[in-house]
Amino acid sequence: AQSVSQHNHHVILSEAASLELGCNYSYGGTVNLFWYVQYPGQHLQLLLKYFSGDPLVKGIKGFEAEFIKSKFSFNLRKPSVQWSDTAEYFCAVNNHNTGKLIFGQGTTLQVKP
Amino acid sequence: GAGVSQSPSNKVTEKGKDVELRCDPISGHTALYWYRQSLGQGLEFLIYFQGNSAPDKSGLPSDRFSAERTGGSVSTLTIQRTQQEDSAVYLCASSPPFEGSGYTFGSGTRLTVV
Repeated sequence: AQSVSQHNHHVILSEAASLELGCNYSYGGTVNLFWYVQYPGQHLQLLLKYFSGDPLVKGIKGFEAEFIKSKFSFNLRKPSVQWSDTAEYFCAVNNHNTGKLIFGQGTTLQVKP
Repeated sequence: GAGVSQSPSNKVTEKGKDVELRCDPISGHTALYWYRQSLGQGLEFLIYFQGNSAPDKSGLPSDRFSAERTGGSVSTLTIQRTQQEDSAVYLCASSPPFEGSGYTFGSGTRLTVV
């Protein structure tokens, strides 16, 4: 069955530190990949997505993610985090056969000012 | 409307009662999803509607849960004989035909079973 795994459940960083959140998925077919963010008290918002083409995807607010097909990974990165990046981050994958979007367990990021 | 609308935003119900949660997707979006988000958990897939195809119900946790989508638009998630473990935020999302540009989420319904 298709599954998504996020390795870091809770990450604490100081401002200006670099961020990398891991995401691996299990489905072997053609997939679309997403990162969503949920700020405290707000609903889910799309950070970035990969459909095809350049495996290095740039999203909003300085975030980027790299799709490595051989590793079934889609890790999220940001060179320098800000206090306002404190939020919960979700990796999600859908496969072209079913269109079903499956989420990872989420990673809570806390950035200390 | 401009976004995905869910109602009610909050619902408190007594154990054993039935509840109905409503989702109004973005006009023209053929795909509609329901997810459940519990404290400390990720987003649990519940059910997926795509156009006129039979829905994918593989995520519904028990036969107390059901959902329908009328006229390819509004969807209702029904939970019968609610239990305390049903307490969660229920999220709805819609998208264009799934090869499209992504998913838009509603703000959710927070269900509390007391």
